[in-house]
Order: sequence, then structure tokens, then C-alpha cells
Amino acid sequence: AQSVAQPEDQVNVAEGNPLTVKCTYSVSGNPYLFWYVQYPNRGLQFLLKYITGDNLVKGSYGFEAEFNKSQTSFHLKKPSALVSDSALYFCAVRDIPYSGAGSYQLTFGKGTKLSVIP
Amino acid sequence: NAGVTQTPKFRILKIGQSMTLQCTQDMNHNYMYWYRQDPGMGLKLIYYSVGAGITDKGEVPNGYNVSRSTTEDFPLRLELAAPSQTSVYFCASSPSLGPPETQYFGPGTRLLVL
Repeated sequence: AQSVAQPEDQVNVAEGNPLTVKCTYSVSGNPYLFWYVQYPNRGLQFLLKYITGDNLVKGSYGFEAEFNKSQTSFHLKKPSALVSDSALYFCAVRDIPYSGAGSYQLTFGKGTKLSVIP
Repeated sequence: NAGVTQTPKFRILKIGQSMTLQCTQDMNHNYMYWYRQDPGMGLKLIYYSVGAGITDKGEVPNGYNVSRSTTEDFPLRLELAAPSQTSVYFCASSPSLGPPETQYFGPGTRLLVL
């Protein structure tokens, strides 16, 4: 079974400072990893994904994430936080495909609320 | 493209009432999904569909039903609403061909059962 952990319920950072939102995962095979953002009263928006290749993945709005296989982590980062980055962030994982029920599911973490302080 | 649209945006139900949450996508995706998101929690999959006429249960299907008569539409039915079904419901879709997929989400329906 696959699982995702986001150890921090909330992260506070000052505007202009670098930010990190943590995510660790557990899968039986090779992971496909995703970050989503959810603004108030809006649906989830895709930020970036790791499939294979370079461990540093760049995504939308200046965000990037670093895949670390030995630590089974996929932390989200941004060099300089903006007030508009304040939102709920979800990490998600999918295992390699296989036949059978549930093979097309993404498993999401509980989410981390990011607050950027002006 | 409108992407994934959901109606209604918000609804209050009394215990025992029924309703249908509508979901439509215009991206010609074969895969569609229904999730619920409880406060402070991640998404839980209710049902999913891999194409018109094909549906299957997710992690939390009890109390819900779905149908998929067309590629575009994937309605979610609550037959006997219960307070435990108070949640935000998200519909999503994804491209049909091979991994990995990226799911596109609708704006959600907020449901309150009293």
C-alpha cells in the first residue's frame, strides 16, 4: 500500500524568505510524486510532478521540489515566498500501475497550510 | 475549455434527503473520479470511472452511487443523506493513456447535512 505523510500542519514564513513544505512517502515500487495547491474556495491545482530523471523538479509559480530516494522525501521549496503563496498544499503519490481495483488512485497527504507573513 | 465543472457550489440537506452532485469535463478524458475532503484531511476517493459505462469503488463508497453514461458526465448520487456525509466533494478527470496521469480538479461542492 502507498502512503504519504506531511509532518507539518502549518508552516509560517516571512515574505521574501525561502520556504519548505515537507513530504515523505512510502510505496512498493517506483513513485510518481505530485504537489498540488488549494486556494480558499477553489479546487486543487497541479504544481509539479516527479516521474523520473533529474531529482530537482521545477513547477508553476516558481516552486520546485527535490526528490530524495534514500530519505523517501519530496519536499516543496521556493527561494522567495510571496503573500499570494498562502494556501493549502497537498503532496500525493501514485505507485507504478498494475491491474486491478484501485490501480488508478492518487494517495494524498493531509495537507500543510502555508502562511506567508507580510 | 472550461475544464472540470461541478454543480451546485453549495447545498444544505436534511437527514434522509437525496441529491445528485453533477460533474462535467470537456477535455475528453476517459478517467474520472469523485473525492471527498473533510476539514484538515486529505482527499479520499469515493468512486472512479475508467470510461463510459465502467465504474468502480474507491476507498469510501458507502452511501454513494455513480453512473457514467457519457465520457463527459460523472454524477454522484447520495440516496439517504447522513451528517457524516458533510464534506467538500471534488470531481476530477485525467487523460486515459498510460502513467503517470495528472488529475484535473473541479472547484468542489460544499455539502452540509443537518
